[in-house]
Order: sequence, then C-alpha cells, then structure tokens
Amino acid sequence: AQSVTQLDSHVSVSEGTPVLLRCNYSSSYSPSLFWYVQHPNKGLQLLLKYTSAATLVKGINGFEAEFKKSETSFHLTKPSAHMSDAAEYFCVVSELDGGYQKVTFGTGTKLQVIP
Amino acid sequence: DSGVTQTPKHLITATGQRVTLRCSPRSGDLSVYWYQQSLDQGLQFLIQYYNGEERAKGNILERFSAQQFPDLHSELNLSSLELGDSALYFCASSPKLGILAGASYEQYFGPGTRLTVT
Repeated sequence: AQSVTQLDSHVSVSEGTPVLLRCNYSSSYSPSLFWYVQHPNKGLQLLLKYTSAATLVKGINGFEAEFKKSETSFHLTKPSAHMSDAAEYFCVVSELDGGYQKVTFGTGTKLQVIP
Repeated sequence: DSGVTQTPKHLITATGQRVTLRCSPRSGDLSVYWYQQSLDQGLQFLIQYYNGEERAKGNILERFSAQQFPDLHSELNLSSLELGDSALYFCASSPKLGILAGASYEQYFGPGTRLTVT
C-alpha cells in the first residue's frame, strides 16, 4: 500500500531565503513521485516529477526535488523564495496497482512568503 | 492553461437538489479523475475513468456518480445535496493508464467548479 506524508502543514519563509517543503512516502514498488502547486482559487499545476531517472529533479520556477530511496523522501526545495511562490504544495506518489496507476495525494503544505 | 475545461465555474444550489458537473479532458487524454477539495477534508480523490470505464474509486459517496462518454468528456452527478457537499470539485486528465517503462503520467487539472449548497 502506498502513502505520502507531508511533514508540515504550514511553512513560512522570508522573501529571498531558501524554501524546504518535506515529503515522505511509502510504496511497495518503485514509485513515481510528483509535486503540484495550487495558487488560491486555481487548479493544481505540475511542478516536477520523478520517474526513476535522475534522482535530482528540476522543475519549473526554480524548484527542484531530490529522491532519496534510503530515506523514502522527496523534499521540495528552492534556493530563494519569491512572493509569487506563496501557494499550497502537494506531494503525490503513484505506483502500478493491478495494471493501473494508483495515485495518492499528500495533505498539502501551505507556503507563506513574508516580504 | 492545462487544456482541461470544467463547467460551470460556480454553482449555487439548495439542499436536496441534484447537480451535474462537466469536464472535458485534454485532447487525446483517455483518463479522467475527479477530486473534491474542501477546507476540512483537503483534496480527496473521488473516482477515475479510463476510456469510458470506471477504473478506481476513492472516497466517493453513494449519492455521487460519474460517467465518461464516448467523446471522453466526463460528468459528475451529485444528488440529495447536503451543506457538507459545498466544495471545489476538480477534474484532471492524463494521457494513458498505467506505468510503462518506469514512467508515470502526470495529471493535468482543470480550474475547478465551486459548488455552494445553501
């Protein structure tokens, strides 16, 4: 059975400082992992995905995530926060289940960026 | 713009009523997912269709049902509405089903339908 845990429901950073959003997963097989972002009153947008290629994945808007199998983690980082990064971020795990793609979303982390 | 469209954008209705939400996936996408997002429950997966057939069920109530039509658009039907059904309902689509050669398909989300039950 797969699961995903986002360790912080809220994260607050100052503009220009690094961002770290933490995600741990549990999966029976080799999972694919995603980060999505949701700005207020908008749909979710894919930031990046890991699909068993390079463990360090670069996404849009300067975000990146590193897949660490030994730690079952897929933390999202950005060197310098921008005001426009204020949003909710979802970590997602996906694996094959009986021939079909099973997707599980984390509970989300709300990122606040302080000017 | 993800290429996924949802109508209507907003819907206000009374308790006990029935509504239908519509989703058109990206061109060529065969798989459609429905999600409910509320303040107290977060993002909940409801149901998935692939090429017209139901493939996975999540936390979908018996009062809710969905279907995917031959042209691949999907409808989510909500009946006997309660105040607690007020939420954002998202549709997402993805190209195919399953994981091939280690790859996994991301989902493309529509802008959502905001349902308010009064």
